[in-house]
Order: sequence, then C-alpha cells, then structure tokens
Amino acid sequence: GIQVEQSPPDLILQEGANSTLRCNFSDSVNNLQWFHQNPWGQLINLFYIPSGTKQNGRLSATTVATERYSLLYISSSQTTDSGVYFCAARRGDRGSTLGRLYFGRGTQLTVWP
Amino acid sequence: DSGVTQTPKHLITATGQRVTLRCSPRSGDLSVYWYQQSLDQGLQFLIQYYNGEERAKGNILERFSAQQFPDLHSELNLSSLELGDSALYFCASSELGQHEAFFGQGTRLTVV
Repeated sequence: GIQVEQSPPDLILQEGANSTLRCNFSDSVNNLQWFHQNPWGQLINLFYIPSGTKQNGRLSATTVATERYSLLYISSSQTTDSGVYFCAARRGDRGSTLGRLYFGRGTQLTVWP
Repeated sequence: DSGVTQTPKHLITATGQRVTLRCSPRSGDLSVYWYQQSLDQGLQFLIQYYNGEERAKGNILERFSAQQFPDLHSELNLSSLELGDSALYFCASSELGQHEAFFGQGTRLTVV
C-alpha cells in the first residue's frame, strides 16, 4: 500500500498565527484529500487536491504529485481550527472503481486564545 | 453535512455480543467504504462495496462482515465482540472509486 507520513505530529499555536502542515506519500497517487477531525470526531472534507493549489478562505493546499508531497496552510488560526488534520491518498486509474484511502497519522493542532 | 448518514451514533455493548452498524451513502454514490479508527491503529480501511458487490478488503477481521443492499445502503456486522473492538467506525461514500470521498459522522462503539 501507500505509506503516508504527516508532520509535525503536534502543533500548538496562539490565535492569529499561521502554520504549514506537510504530507509525504511513498508512491504515485491520483488523488489526495485533506480532512479536519473536530473534537466531536467528525471528519470534515477540506480539500480534494490531486495536484496544484486550491484555496478556501483561510485555508489553502498545494499538492506536488511528482515530488510526492502535499502542504496544508492555515492562516490567522482560530480556536475552532483545533483538532486533528489528516491527509489521505489513493492510487489507481481515474476510471477505477477501487478507491480505498491510505491515511496518515494526522497532525494534532491546538490553537489557544 | 456530508450527506452520508450513519446510525447509531453511539453504541455500548458487552463482550461476546453482535451489533450492526448502518450507513446510507450520498445520493448517487455507488461506492461505500468502512473504516475503523482506534487510538493505537489510526484510520484503517476495512472493506469497500461498489454497486452491491464487494470490491476490496482491508484489515477486516473474520468476525466482521458487511454487505451493500440494492438501495445502496450498507451494513457492517460485528460479532463476538471483544474489548479491543471499541473504536469509531466510519462509513464513507464516493461516486466512483477515484472521486472525492465523504465521511459520515461515525458510530462510536464501546465494548464493556
């Protein structure tokens, strides 16, 4: 399977600070997703980003598939950003019905007021 | 709201018992996936169904089984439960295998 490594494992920030989370993957992937798991356990989709750069408000993500990494940027952190951030990758042909995701261990983010 | 519905949200049961977790995928999604999240193992893929057929298996124990019905909802059956089966069980769905996957709220299973 694909090995997915995330760094850092833990991150503590003051409200208003910026941060960069990294995801490295061991093999060629066709798709990559970023999720936020909130304190209630819900997995919330942040980005579906097989390549390139996307932005959504204070969050943005970049995937460089040829170099096998993805970055998640959080700007002007808020306490509600706290939780665990996961990246997950999948491989296979675009028309494939196979679609299991390989998850990293996550980055635990704590934002203090 | 992801559009994926899981029931129940919480389940407490005794060792040796059997439970059924239910998942309704997003409208139009043909693929359903089950994942288990435990503290020591992280998010582990269990099994995938595509349009009613089993498509891929991961780290699913023999005591566990799943199926996808003609209306595309899926059930995960866990039997002979052990303390170590306590975990958060997620269902996810996607239109095809390679499309964006969306997760339900999860079922938190506690085995006592």
